[in-house]
Amino acid sequence: KAGVTQTPRYLIKTRGQQVTLSCSPISGHRSVSWYQQTPGQGLQFLFEYFSETQRNKGNFPGRFSGRQFSNSRSEMNVSTLELGDSALYLCASSLIGGTAYNEQFFGPGTRLTVL
Amino acid sequence: DAKTTQPPSMDCAEGRAANLPCNHSTISGNEYVYWYRQIHSQGPQYIIHGLKNNETNEMASLIITEDRKSSTLILPHATLRDTAVYYCIVRGPGSGAGSYQLTFGKGTKLSVIP
Repeated sequence: KAGVTQTPRYLIKTRGQQVTLSCSPISGHRSVSWYQQTPGQGLQFLFEYFSETQRNKGNFPGRFSGRQFSNSRSEMNVSTLELGDSALYLCASSLIGGTAYNEQFFGPGTRLTVL
Repeated sequence: DAKTTQPPSMDCAEGRAANLPCNHSTISGNEYVYWYRQIHSQGPQYIIHGLKNNETNEMASLIITEDRKSSTLILPHATLRDTAVYYCIVRGPGSGAGSYQLTFGKGTKLSVIP
């Protein structure tokens, strides 16, 4: 079974631009979560989508948004990029989300650099 | 905030058992302990989880104290490929109904020495 895939793997943007990252979960998984990883803050939870609805949200500004499609694929968008948005963005999928034991499978991440 | 405390780094000789401790003194009765690891520049990888009983799988063993305030992840025969950052996570509820999230702390950087 194919793992979680994320595209693109690397991205360079400039301040003020916007960016869209994509995540394809493992087949059959309906929950997709996004995390941001930086050297200073570590791994931080952004949001979770389940059945096309945002079910859980971390403490990030509204510039960070996401959506999930009917095939469970998810995208996250960051508008008005800031230098501090440079990070590894990780996507994780799981079968049904948080109602029971729920192992999350992580993708390789998208490395975003903001210049 | 993460509800766990781990040593920032540990060394282990190749072939020996690696014992990684984790304190979670404020854990609630229905919260699971999860362990993930992250090899440099890759996404985190699930290792094992438990509630109150000791658990074992093909990767590791998890020993949880009777009061559930701490746990130890054991890699029985560490190899160089086990060099990674190991995260101990107490899975708590998220903001949405029926939702949970993983709150990662800083983890333990395990270095396996040849």
